[in-house]
Amino acid sequence: DAGVTQSPTHLIKTRGQQVTLRCSPISGHKSVSWYQQVLGQGPQFIFQYYEKEERGRGNFPDRFSARQFPNYSSELNVNALLLGDSALYLCASSETGTGNRQPQHFGDGTRLSIL
Amino acid sequence: GENVEQHPSTLSVQEGDSAVIKCTYSDSASNYFPWYKQELGKRPQLIIDIRSNVGEKKDQRIAVTLNKTAKHFSLHITETQPEDSAVYFCAASDYLNSGYSTLTFGKGTMLLVSP
Repeated sequence: DAGVTQSPTHLIKTRGQQVTLRCSPISGHKSVSWYQQVLGQGPQFIFQYYEKEERGRGNFPDRFSARQFPNYSSELNVNALLLGDSALYLCASSETGTGNRQPQHFGDGTRLSIL
Repeated sequence: GENVEQHPSTLSVQEGDSAVIKCTYSDSASNYFPWYKQELGKRPQLIIDIRSNVGEKKDQRIAVTLNKTAKHFSLHITETQPEDSAVYFCAASDYLNSGYSTLTFGKGTMLLVSP
C-alpha cells in the first residue's frame, strides 16, 4: 500500500511569490495534518483537516491556508513568500479526525527554498 | 498549548551500548506520546508510541517509559547499531480548540552510533 505522498519534492521560489503544496493520505485515512520543519528543529503544526473541515490551526500567519478535498487529499497554500518560509513541509495522515492517540504517518515532504 | 523539551540534543555511543533520550511535557491532559526516527533527507518514521494508561512499552530493542506524575517519558534503545544513527523526535498530543488533537514535537536528538 502506498504511504503518504507529497508533491512536488523540491521547489524554489522567490520572495513575494505564492506556492501550492499537495498531499495524498494513506488509503482509508481521513485526516491530514500539515507541519513545517525548519532545519535542526522538530516539525511545527500548521493545520489539521478532517472530512474537509479545518479542525485546528497552529501559530502561523494568514498567508498560510489549506483545504481538503472529497478524496481526502489536501493542499497547503502560502502567499507572499518570505525568506523565513524556507523549510521542509510535511504532511501527515491518520485514520480518524479525533487525532486523539491516533498514529500520524508522514510523507517525504516538500523542500521549499525561498531566494 | 503543549510544550515539549527533549534532551540531549546530541548523543554519541559505541555500537552495542544503550542509548536513552528523555522528554518532558507541560500539559497534564496530553495522553499520547509517539517517537519518530528521521534519517537525513527522509520522512519522520513512527518507531514506537505509548498511551497514558500504560507505563512502559517494548518493541524488540526499543522501549518507551512514561511517568505521568512527573510528566516525562523516555526512549531506550539497547544494543545500538550503526543503522540506529538518525535524529529522534519525541512528541506529545496537544488538544485543539475543536476538541481534536495534534502533536507537539521536541527539538530532536541526533544519535550517532560508532562501529
